[in-house]
Order: sequence, then C-alpha cells, then structure tokens
Amino acid sequence: AQKVTQAQTEISVVEKEDVTLDCVYETRDTTYYLFWYKQPPSGELVFLIRRNSFDEQNEISGRYSWNFQKSTSSFNFTITASQVVDSAVYFCALSGGGNQFYFGTGTSLTVIP
Amino acid sequence: DAMVIQNPRYQVTQFGKPVTLSCSQTLNHNVMYWYQQKSSQAPKLLFHYYDKDFNNEADTPDNFQSRRPNTSFCFLDIRSPGLGDAAMYLCATSRRLAGGGDTQYFGPGTRLTVL
Repeated sequence: AQKVTQAQTEISVVEKEDVTLDCVYETRDTTYYLFWYKQPPSGELVFLIRRNSFDEQNEISGRYSWNFQKSTSSFNFTITASQVVDSAVYFCALSGGGNQFYFGTGTSLTVIP
Repeated sequence: DAMVIQNPRYQVTQFGKPVTLSCSQTLNHNVMYWYQQKSSQAPKLLFHYYDKDFNNEADTPDNFQSRRPNTSFCFLDIRSPGLGDAAMYLCATSRRLAGGGDTQYFGPGTRLTVL
C-alpha cells in the first residue's frame, strides 16, 4: 500500500526561527518519487521539489532544505530563518508504480511576525 | 510563461444547477487531472486524461464528468451540484503519468460555492 503521513497538523513559529516539516511514507515499489508542494492561502499548489528513490542526496535551495532518508522512509523539509511569506499548507506526496499521486494530509505552517 | 490556467477562479451556483469549470495549459503536457479539495483536506483525484484516454477514479460520483476536446483544454462538468460539492477544484498537468515520476503542475484552482 502507498501512504504518506504528515503527523504535524499545525505548526506555529516566530519569524526567523527554523522549522522542520516531517513526512513519512510507505511503499512497496523499489522505484518511487517524492514531492513537496506549498499551498498558500490563495489555493494554488506550488511545486517545490521532486526526489527519486535512488537519489538520497540532501538538497538545499536558498532557505529550504530537504533530508531524504530511505532507512527511515522519511523526506523531511526544513525552512531556515522562516518568514511570514512561508505561511502556508505544505503537502508531501508520493508516486510509484501506479498512476496515482498519494498526498499526505498536509501541515499548516503559520509564521508569526 | 508556460502555465496552467483555470477559469473562473470563483464560481457560485445553485443547488442542482449544472456548472462547468475550465482548465487550459500551455505546457503541452499529455496528462491532465482534476482534483477536488475540501477544507483542511488533501486534494482528492477525481479523474485524469492521458491524451484522449479518460480514466475515472472508482469513487468519483457519476455527477462529475469531464471533457478534453484538445491537448490544451479540459473541462469539469458537475451535472447537479449538491451542497457537498462545494470545494476547491484543482486542475493539474504532467508530461507523463504519475508512475513515470513526472511532476504535476497545478493551476490556481476554482473555488465552487453551492447555494
């Protein structure tokens, strides 16, 4: 079965704090892909990153970084020095051998000025 | 810029009155998807087109239909909207199907209100 779990429903941080959003996945596929999307209040899902199962290198993009660990089936997302514009719902998603995107339930991040 | 466009952004309809939501894309992607997203929930896939091949999710109500007249456009028809159909409707595209690992790119969504 394919499943994505985002255990953190809501997180609040004060501006400039670092915050990590957790994502744990389940899959039996040997080849699979993991994604993070940001959904600001306007509603559009904005693509942030895609990672395939053979590439465990961590990635950094500006204030964003991602830690992919197959040993723990996790693909966590860290925002460094958070800003008010980071306030949004963040979704982790998985795709594998089938034709489905499996979304987690999302983590709502509020950055307080 | 290549993008996914949805019209209208906000749609108000009456209970039982048919409504059509529109999606267009300039990415020239083969696959187009329609998702329903209710408040505080993850997007739920309704159906997708791979080129002209239509694929309905098993639990998508018959009340929801879709049309893809060409590569660029896809429509979502709700034949008799109920109060429970009030939601954000998201259109997405990808070059290949999800099993190929392609990224899905989303439009801004249409927020549907049913009175």
